Amino acid sequence: QSALTQPASVSGSPGQSITISCTGTSSDVGGYNYVCWYQQHPGKAPKLMIYDVTNRPSGVSNRFSGSKSGNTASLTISGLQAEDEAEYYCSSYTSRSTYVFGTGTKVTVL
Amino acid sequence: QVQLQESGPGLVKPSQTLSLTCTVSGGSISSGSYYWSWIRQPAGKGLEWIGRIYTSGSTNYNPSLKSRVTISLDTSKNQFSLKLSSVTAADTAVYYCARGDNWNDRFDYWGQGTLVTVSS
Repeated sequence: QSALTQPASVSGSPGQSITISCTGTSSDVGGYNYVCWYQQHPGKAPKLMIYDVTNRPSGVSNRFSGSKSGNTASLTISGLQAEDEAEYYCSSYTSRSTYVFGTGTKVTVL
Repeated sequence: QVQLQESGPGLVKPSQTLSLTCTVSGGSISSGSYYWSWIRQPAGKGLEWIGRIYTSGSTNYNPSLKSRVTISLDTSKNQFSLKLSSVTAADTAVYYCARGDNWNDRFDYWGQGTLVTVSS
């Protein structure tokens, strides 16, 4: 299974909004509403930020939001803060009852 | 609070079998609401899903690793394990165990990760 496609890097100034895309196929992102987003700081385990395309786990800031259109899911971070600087990965359930992660996006706060 | 902790050898020789265990605390591994997964990350690279096991013992594996992977459950010890056979340098990575939620298909709790290096 091929990794979902994400931009290698996205940057923004504090207070701005940024959006990260995650492109798959009709066999994964487009076929199921089981897209998640994870935040990973260097040397740390990934942290769940969004699940089921749009839902935030308890304790995750409402500055993080998710959406999906066709085979592409998106994560938007509004009011960008220094602590948001990290690597972000999307993931999706697939038609083969497996999971696939995205290639990862490095978010830089300028 | 659920916690997961990986353990196992940090160095494995090429062609041998990598074996890791994940110990779950703060919750029962036998709960039917969850499944248990292994995920790995080579240095400087992205995440790769390895496979999962349900409390029933049913498993799903990444097709690219399926021929070499076995995930098992030990409910008496509240642990699950990973075995990856015929390893090469390409299997060098940080290995994470994670809990998956049946209702929402999300990995909501992760271990801290353990580095396994394949080298002679």
